[in-house]
Amino acid sequence: GAGVSQSPSNKVTEKGKDVELRCDPISGHTALYWYRQRLGQGLEFLIYFQGNSAPDKSGLPSDRFSAERTGESVSTLTIQRTQQEDSAVYLCASSANRGSYEQYFGPGTRLTVT
Amino acid sequence: QQQVKQSPQSLIVQKGGISIINCAYENTAFDYFPWYQQFPGKGPALLIAIRPDVSEKKEGRFTISFNKSAKQFSLHIMDSQPGDSATYFCAASKEAGANNLFFGTGTRLTVIP
Repeated sequence: GAGVSQSPSNKVTEKGKDVELRCDPISGHTALYWYRQRLGQGLEFLIYFQGNSAPDKSGLPSDRFSAERTGESVSTLTIQRTQQEDSAVYLCASSANRGSYEQYFGPGTRLTVT
Repeated sequence: QQQVKQSPQSLIVQKGGISIINCAYENTAFDYFPWYQQFPGKGPALLIAIRPDVSEKKEGRFTISFNKSAKQFSLHIMDSQPGDSATYFCAASKEAGANNLFFGTGTRLTVIP
């Protein structure tokens, strides 16, 4: 079946603008994660959604970052007043349910803040 | 603070050789240790994973060795091929909380023909 999809694949924005990144998880997957990958670095956890539970926002680096998820489907990650240090690849992953451990990643959105 | 430490940063191996990547962790609550393979421009893909109740897991040419007492685990790629050239990430997670993965910093593997 279809994997995790993300859009846009690339986004260039000016410093200070807001951006929205979209993630479509694998159908039926209840858990959804956002990670950030800076150039040459490992992935950093940002936020976690599980079903209708309150999201775990413990990885968000500042209050400029927020995310929403509609039920068990699409999620959007919003970065307000973008800064150059926000430039990175933003990856979304989904897994079948809490405790299943296996996370499947989308191709990511490469964000460049100029 | 890096919860999972990975080495080496880069690795060059001849075709047919063995590639070995090492990781170490501190948090004894971790109970799941996957390895991901990432090609340029792609998201990470799950390669193989292990739980701490076993010391080794093998899938094809890929083997994870796990040393619970030393809090270390490693990936061995036997008979390395040019198509294995990619960045490899080790990771760890725990059942409590978000199950989010804590990643190592990655190893760029190049297999030369």
